[in-house]
Amino acid sequence: RKEVEQDPGPFNVPEGATVAFNCTYSNSASQSFFWYRQDCRKEPKLLMSVYSSGNEDGRFTAQLNRASQYISLLIRDSKLSDSATYLCVVNRGSGTYKYIFGTGTRLKVLA
Amino acid sequence: NAGVTQTPKFRVLKTGQSMTLLCAQDMNHEYMYWYRQDPGMGLRLIHYSVGEGTTAKGEVPDGYNVSRLKKQNFLLGLESAAPSQTSVYFCASNDRRSYEQYFGPGTRLTVT
Repeated sequence: RKEVEQDPGPFNVPEGATVAFNCTYSNSASQSFFWYRQDCRKEPKLLMSVYSSGNEDGRFTAQLNRASQYISLLIRDSKLSDSATYLCVVNRGSGTYKYIFGTGTRLKVLA
Repeated sequence: NAGVTQTPKFRVLKTGQSMTLLCAQDMNHEYMYWYRQDPGMGLRLIHYSVGEGTTAKGEVPDGYNVSRLKKQNFLLGLESAAPSQTSVYFCASNDRRSYEQYFGPGTRLTVT
């Protein structure tokens, strides 16, 4: 079993739709959680950190469920420019700077 | 402020050849990392460094060596390239007070 698992997709959604991705992690000691965005053939860029209380940044909402060991990303009012691969990233544990990356979920927003 | 830069952007090697990939950051970050990204595998950590003069192995270190002689530079070496090392290599860095990693644009390496 992979330490961080994501549905690879692709998720094809029309403009304006709401779409949600989940990511599960297996290491219960994981402390920090992130969503990164990666455009085709480009480097990953931080989209948002995920906090226990949940957090929102514009059209994007991230949630953490420690009991079930998953994080989620909700995108409202999808734009064409949201088309990308979304990487779930988990920090392995307290005091370590080693991160585990999911394989990514591909999103395609259609006109 | 260039952020994280990588040299070269592309390279084709023959099996057995050696090369060094250079990563440079101008943000005064303590932590630096080398990852490889392969289809269906996600980014995997090769080596990392928590400060000048220190390096440590990640999850896939075999066949690679690294050095961090200056805080701003992190070098990744392939002593004898193999086709299994065909990949996209990303360098990243972060400040020790923040978990946000900044990535370089990547190096696409093909070993034939």
